[in-house]
Amino acid sequence: DTGVSQDPRHKITKRGQNVTFRCDPISEHNRLYWYRQTLGQGPEFLTYFQNEAQLEKSRLLSDRFSAERPKGSFSTLEIQRTEQGDSAMYLCASSLEGGFTGANVLTFGAGSRLTVL
Amino acid sequence: SQKIEQNSEALNIQEGKTATLTCNYTNYSPAYLQWYRQDPGRGPVFLLLIRENEKEKRKERLKVTFDTTLKQSLFHITASQPADSATYLCAPSGGKLIFGQGTELSVKP
Repeated sequence: DTGVSQDPRHKITKRGQNVTFRCDPISEHNRLYWYRQTLGQGPEFLTYFQNEAQLEKSRLLSDRFSAERPKGSFSTLEIQRTEQGDSAMYLCASSLEGGFTGANVLTFGAGSRLTVL
Repeated sequence: SQKIEQNSEALNIQEGKTATLTCNYTNYSPAYLQWYRQDPGRGPVFLLLIRENEKEKRKERLKVTFDTTLKQSLFHITASQPADSATYLCAPSGGKLIFGQGTELSVKP
């Protein structure tokens, strides 16, 4: 297993365009998370899935953001009508609920950096 | 609402010294607390987890304490090295992980 993969690593788009990010988690992990991170800040929670069910979505998340995890494997995060304020690093992480520690330890991908011009 | 605070200013120390980072949280009672390391342009990497019934946890040069009364965790790196320079994030844990803003550590040779 090569860990958590994210694609693309970098995306530059013009304001108003739609963008989609893909995350491939560790295969045996049942939970998948999306976070957003801006410079000098910690990762900000966006949403998470257990298998294919989206269990929680941040109240701060605009309706322009949508995430899916069909079949409980890979996930996509789509941002519609991008704004300059959406420029950030989008991080995906996965975990095995309960795991060997009984706790929720996250394995992160390298992130997808979005720049909105 | 849940709030997590870490040392907001960067921490600069000399190689060989002990670095101590602080994490304070309010408005919840996590069953455990995690620490992660993040290098520039990369995702965070898990370092240590400590449970609410544990006072202290060690791993090589790392030591974490967890005081549920004070709602605080301290993260220590002993005999620090320039390779320890990174941002360190704490995450008092529940169903989802909420992270602090991180403390940037710089270890000078």
